[in-house]
Amino acid sequence: SAVISQKPSRDICQRGTSLTIQCQVDSQVTMMFWYRQQPGQSLTLIATANQGSEATYESGFVIDKFPISRPNLTFSTLTVSNMSPEDSSIYLCSVEDPQGWEETQYFGPGTRLLVL
Amino acid sequence: GENVEQHPSTLSVQEGDSAVIKCTYSDSASNYFPWYKQELGKRPQLIIDIRSNVGEKKDQRIAVTLNKTAKHFSLHITETQPEDSAVYFCAAMVSTGFQKLVFGTGTRLLVSP
Repeated sequence: SAVISQKPSRDICQRGTSLTIQCQVDSQVTMMFWYRQQPGQSLTLIATANQGSEATYESGFVIDKFPISRPNLTFSTLTVSNMSPEDSSIYLCSVEDPQGWEETQYFGPGTRLLVL
Repeated sequence: GENVEQHPSTLSVQEGDSAVIKCTYSDSASNYFPWYKQELGKRPQLIIDIRSNVGEKKDQRIAVTLNKTAKHFSLHITETQPEDSAVYFCAAMVSTGFQKLVFGTGTRLLVSP
């Protein structure tokens, strides 16, 4: 498996502001994923980020709201823009297994976001 | 679109009993099915997975079965312990240009001592 870290671990933000979440992996991986987990809910994929190409967004998520960067094979950022209280969620990055089956995904510890 | 249904939403058992969680999926091309355990305030952790070329996989007290014809798969936990209490998510890999996981709605398992 991979060692995955996220920053910040939690934050409280004012509506209308933006927050950038960082995801760092200790191994080079091709595929990185960003999920949202609303309180008491399941995991919803926001977008897939491959190094060297534009992120691919799922239905209901747009680049203007959730811009993603993927500058290299160990790092990605997700920005939550122009936040509203409805954006209060846990945001998780995940990566494919760098040493095994590419389908296997491991999750970072998550960023708990509260928007006031 | 792709859909994964999971039942039950909550499950309460006594320590030592068995627990079974069931999922169905809609994409017949799905070939990878992981299960994640999420304890309160923690990240989802992969506990077991199965690929479509096998019908069953076991790891100590945990087993997963897959019926591709019926498009359903199940998680079986035997000899449950209080530390098994958590939310469990099933998922199915779907291919829509590239591969992605679609998650079930989750099952909250409570194991009482």
